[in-house]
Amino acid sequence: SQELEQSPQSLIVQEGKNLTINCTSSKTLYGLYWYKQKYGEGLIFLMMLQKGGEEKSHEKITAKLDEKKQQSSLHITASQPSHAGIYLCGADFTGGGNKLTFGTGTQLKVEL
Amino acid sequence: DTAVSQTPKYLVTQMGNDKSIKCEQNLGHDTMYWYKQDSKKFLKIMFSYNNKELIINETVPNRFSPKSPDKAHLNLHINSLELGDSAVYFCASSQERGLSYNEQFFGPGTRLTVL
Repeated sequence: SQELEQSPQSLIVQEGKNLTINCTSSKTLYGLYWYKQKYGEGLIFLMMLQKGGEEKSHEKITAKLDEKKQQSSLHITASQPSHAGIYLCGADFTGGGNKLTFGTGTQLKVEL
Repeated sequence: DTAVSQTPKYLVTQMGNDKSIKCEQNLGHDTMYWYKQDSKKFLKIMFSYNNKELIINETVPNRFSPKSPDKAHLNLHINSLELGDSAVYFCASSQERGLSYNEQFFGPGTRLTVL
């Protein structure tokens, strides 16, 4: 099984709807990173959550890290077509910050 | 200005050939990485270099050899290409800031197809 599982695997929402993507780790997290990938492009950094649990927001995206559950959620409010893409969570399991283990990815489509 | 660039963007080649992918970053970062993304979009780290020194070397066949001529460049050379090497290869870079903070900047990817 994967060390980092994301759910759902894919998601189709109507424009304007809210959505949540989850990332669950089977190991202790030192840091959790969220990235977005558009088709045919590289990954764009969204935000990083530190060990201990925290919550961060940027524009309409909010990410939380629950240390007890070793789980992170990414919430998008009032989704727009520009939010479409693949969302990947990346975990730092070593504390060194260099090696990231990525999740299985969530493909998001936003319909008009 | 391109932060992390890779060439070529697409690479189609025959089994058994040797090929190289180049990566350059102009961010002044001291750490660079190579990742492989398979057809299911699963992204896995292959190598990492810090100031031209290899610091991460995952279980990757010896046919893959990274080379870092300076800290702004990390090239990936692949010998005797196999069908299973078909994937998208991403280069990334980061600047270590401590406290486990490591925002990585990714290149656009190189789609390798082995026939």
